[in-house]
Amino acid sequence: ELKVEQNPLFLSMQEGKNYTIYCNYSTTSDRLYWYRQDPGKSLESLFVLLSNGAVKQEGRLMASLDTKARLSTLHITAAVHDLSATYFCAVDINYQLIWGAGTKLIIKP
Amino acid sequence: NAGVTQTPKFQVLKTGQSMTLQCAQDMNHNSMYWYRQDPGMGLRLIYYSASEGTTDKGEVPNGYNVSRLNKREFSLRLESAAPSQTSVYFCASSVNQGLAGITDTQYFGPGTRLTVL
Repeated sequence: ELKVEQNPLFLSMQEGKNYTIYCNYSTTSDRLYWYRQDPGKSLESLFVLLSNGAVKQEGRLMASLDTKARLSTLHITAAVHDLSATYFCAVDINYQLIWGAGTKLIIKP
Repeated sequence: NAGVTQTPKFQVLKTGQSMTLQCAQDMNHNSMYWYRQDPGMGLRLIYYSASEGTTDKGEVPNGYNVSRLNKREFSLRLESAAPSQTSVYFCASSVNQGLAGITDTQYFGPGTRLTVL
């Protein structure tokens, strides 16, 4: 069975701190996506990671992919309140995306 | 560009009623998708259409049917709604250049919040 597991599922942190969200998946894939969802809103694409060792950065967010370990990370640097949202990873398997359950991130002032 | 649009935004049904959720995209994308989102479960694929004229089942197709009306439009039908179908439904589309087995970045509509009583 294909599984995509994120941890933690919930994270409350202070502004200015660093933290990492992990995404493990159970089958071979060379393409992984990170999306953001604000409460009551739709999903917005953040990153697509296309190969082993890929690293993408946008502002305070940096994503990486290790296809051999079947692991992706989303690192948050010096968190700010505006980054509060739910973050999803999704793995590309044969025309479909298999989604993690999401990590709800709350950043307190 | 409106991107991906969905109608309606909200709907309340009684058990056994039927309805169709509409989705349209104006980005000339080849592939379209229907997902449902339930609390704590991420997104689950109901059906997808890799290209105009084709549809395939996803992870949770039971109780749903789809129609790819043309390249722009992809509808989802609930023939006999059940309380277990209470959820938020998202439509998405992607370019999909034709690389075997690969999906490109998916762009999502605003969602339809469906309650079945």
